Amino acid sequence: DADVTQTPRNRITKTGKRIMLECSQTKGHDRMYWYRQDPGLGLRLIYYSFDVKDINKGEISDGYSVSRQAQAKFSLSLESAIPNQTALYFCATSVTGQGKETQYFGPGTRLLVL
Amino acid sequence: DAKTTQPNSMESNEEEPVHLPCNHSTISGTDYIHWYRQLPSQGPEYVIHGLTSNVNNRMASLAIAEDRKSSTLILHRATLRDAAVYYCILKSYGAGSYQLTFGKGTKLSVIP
Repeated sequence: DADVTQTPRNRITKTGKRIMLECSQTKGHDRMYWYRQDPGLGLRLIYYSFDVKDINKGEISDGYSVSRQAQAKFSLSLESAIPNQTALYFCATSVTGQGKETQYFGPGTRLLVL
Repeated sequence: DAKTTQPNSMESNEEEPVHLPCNHSTISGTDYIHWYRQLPSQGPEYVIHGLTSNVNNRMASLAIAEDRKSSTLILHRATLRDAAVYYCILKSYGAGSYQLTFGKGTKLSVIP
């Protein structure tokens, strides 16, 4: 089984709808992240969480919210989806280790907002 | 995090070595050099990281210039499975450090 799983893997929705992307991990890591990737570009950080009670905004948090339900679960919500949120979304996990810290990514969720 | 500069794309023949360069002239003394790669339709995966000395692991080698202003990821024998976008990222080991700042990376094509 994969260490970092994302559901759904693909999603089509309409403008204005609320949707939730889910991420689960079995690695036992304390830190979790949500990134988005647009075609031909690198990943940009949306939100990150260092533990269940710690949630922080990343580079591009507007229009998104998150919930850390447990150490192993981190959900990303689009309260009212818009077409420019069409992108590939990745969840990642890591353990603290400062500069040596490596991140482990899920397989991604491809989202299309019509 | 300091900025890195990589070529947009590179090609290699299968079973030949590949040297992927990265410039990071503004690197600070607290920055580690990380490399990730992203295979088509997959999430990024960690390849290797280093601070000052050259590093080897089962996937690749990392050669770091003496002044640390550049580094090179070395794939010793490219395979078709190595075709991916390779990202060179600087990551500080300062307190509170957490973020990986991805640029556009280098798209490596491997020719059979």
